[in-house]
Amino acid sequence: EDQVTQSPEALRLQEGESSSLNCSYTVSGLRGLFWYRQDPGKGPEFLFTLYSAGEEKEKERLKATLTKKESFLHITAPKPEDSATYLCAVSGGTSYGKLTFGQGTILTVHP
Amino acid sequence: DAGVTQSPTHLIKTRGQQVTLRCSPKSGHDTVSWYQQALGQGPQFIFQYYEEEERQRGNFPDRFSGHQFPNYSSELNVNALLLGDSALYLCASSSGTGATDTQYFGPGTRLTVL
Repeated sequence: EDQVTQSPEALRLQEGESSSLNCSYTVSGLRGLFWYRQDPGKGPEFLFTLYSAGEEKEKERLKATLTKKESFLHITAPKPEDSATYLCAVSGGTSYGKLTFGQGTILTVHP
Repeated sequence: DAGVTQSPTHLIKTRGQQVTLRCSPKSGHDTVSWYQQALGQGPQFIFQYYEEEERQRGNFPDRFSGHQFPNYSSELNVNALLLGDSALYLCASSSGTGATDTQYFGPGTRLTVL
């Protein structure tokens, strides 16, 4: 069974203080690793898809990386508007379109 | 370009009742997946519909059923509601059923069971 664990559960940063969120996964034949951002009471907003170890993707202050066991979401010089829950999900060779999510990391950026 | 839409936004039901939630996929998408998200948790996969058929199902009881229409929109039905069914129900659409296809989520329907 596919499993995803995210750490830390919550992270508080000062504006401009860079950090990283971790997503560890166990899956039979990774097909894709997905990062989403979710604001309170809203649906997840797609950020990145990574397909193979060594792959990296960037968008504004966010950069996602992937190894064979985990993914990192690096946040450079965050702003208060980056405050949200960040969700990681995987799809495996036996799960077709089913996404297995972690519990998320709640990020709070203070001005 | 309209994204994924869901209705209603909020719903309050009592135990034992039945509920129907609706979803319209993003333009150009033909696959709809449904997820349940309890407070403070990540979304849990319920099932996926493609070509009007259920293609894959998660660990949810038969009380949860669905349907997909020829225009690709979808419904989620839950019978005999339990207090534990209170959650945010999310619909996601994609182009294809593949494991590499990105799923785009709607705003969700907040269901409260009293």
